[in-house]
Amino acid sequence: QKEVEQNSGPLSVPEGAIASLNCTYSDRGSQSFFWYRQYSGKSPELIMSIYSNGDKEDGRFTAQLNKASQYVSLLIRDSQPSDSATYLCADLFTSGTYKYIFGTGTRLKVLA
Amino acid sequence: AAGVIQSPRHLIKEKRETATLKCYPIPRHDTVYWYQQGPGQDPQFLISFYEKMQSDKGSIPDRFSAQQFSDYHSELNMSSLELGDSALYFCASSWTGNTEAFFGQGTRLTVV
Repeated sequence: QKEVEQNSGPLSVPEGAIASLNCTYSDRGSQSFFWYRQYSGKSPELIMSIYSNGDKEDGRFTAQLNKASQYVSLLIRDSQPSDSATYLCADLFTSGTYKYIFGTGTRLKVLA
Repeated sequence: AAGVIQSPRHLIKEKRETATLKCYPIPRHDTVYWYQQGPGQDPQFLISFYEKMQSDKGSIPDRFSAQQFSDYHSELNMSSLELGDSALYFCASSWTGNTEAFFGQGTRLTVV
């Protein structure tokens, strides 16, 4: 079982809709989670970080964390075709050292 | 703002040759991470350095070695290259006071 699990998609949503991306993690001790956006052939770009239970909003993006359920999500409001990319969920492992473990990513397609 | 710089951006090598990838972290960042990403795959953690010391090691082949220098830049040395080493190699950096990691543009290595 991977430490960070994501549905690979593709997830297709119409332009203007809300896209909902989900991620589960296995390490109950994890405290820090990140969402990255990656366009094909490009490097991952940090969108959001979240450390506490609840919601964190930044523009059209809202990250949600539920530590009891070991669940992280990313909502994208008013989706645009330019949001079409792969979204990677990452968990920061801090058992003595630091390393970021990524999920397999969810491919999002926003249809114009 | 300064970002993570990687060089070269593209590299073509023959089997059994050696390659050296370089990474220059964001100024004042003390931690560097190396990731390998194959086509359609998520980034796989290779190795990390904190304050010029190896911090953690992932699925890095024995043919690969890395180090972080006094100016915090890092180099990934890859010897006896195999066709399967063809991938995107990303470097990321972070600062221990803030756990967000930022990625460089990557080096695309092609082994022929």
